[in-house]
Amino acid sequence: AQSVTQLDSQVPVFEEAPVELRCNYSSSVSVYLFWYVQYPNQGLQLLLKYLSGSTLVKGINGFEAEFNKSQTSFHLRKPSVHISDTAEYFCAVSEPHDYKLSFGAGTTVTVRA
Amino acid sequence: DGGITQSPKYLFRKEGQNVTLSCEQNLNHDAMYWYRQDPGQGLRLIYYSQIVNDFQKGDIAEGYSVSREKKESFPLTVTSAQKNPTAFYLCATMGGTSGTLGFFGPGTRLTVL
Repeated sequence: AQSVTQLDSQVPVFEEAPVELRCNYSSSVSVYLFWYVQYPNQGLQLLLKYLSGSTLVKGINGFEAEFNKSQTSFHLRKPSVHISDTAEYFCAVSEPHDYKLSFGAGTTVTVRA
Repeated sequence: DGGITQSPKYLFRKEGQNVTLSCEQNLNHDAMYWYRQDPGQGLRLIYYSQIVNDFQKGDIAEGYSVSREKKESFPLTVTSAQKNPTAFYLCATMGGTSGTLGFFGPGTRLTVL
């Protein structure tokens, strides 16, 4: 069975500064990896996903993530954040063809002016 | 306009009552899921269904029941056996050409009075 650890529960950051959200996973097989964003009292929106191929994945809203198999990590980055990026971010993993997502506990990003 | 509809958005229940949360989708996705979200715990899988008339327990199925009589609908009943039902409930579907795109509904916040 797979599991996900998000290493930071809260990340405060100033507007226009870069941000990195850390995610490590454990699995005995190959995996699919995802990052989702959740705004208050809303559902989750898919930011980006890694299925195979290039380890650098670009997503919506200027986010990108890099899959590192040797370190079993899938960290999310954005070079310059906006106030509107204030939200909770979830890393998730699934096994190919399993279709069940396992989620990390989430990282709350607060962007300050 | 394709998507997932969850109703109601807010739901209040007295102890000892069963309540049913609605989830409807017009994405033509085969797989549907129910997750429970509690602060600081990420999302936990309650039940999932990959085809009509079939469903499986997730990690925290006790005190919950589901049905899948139609492809478009996957209602979740929170029974009186669920000891701590106050939470945010999210319905999701899985589909798309790669079979790994996760779409989430807006959620239902259930509060037990």
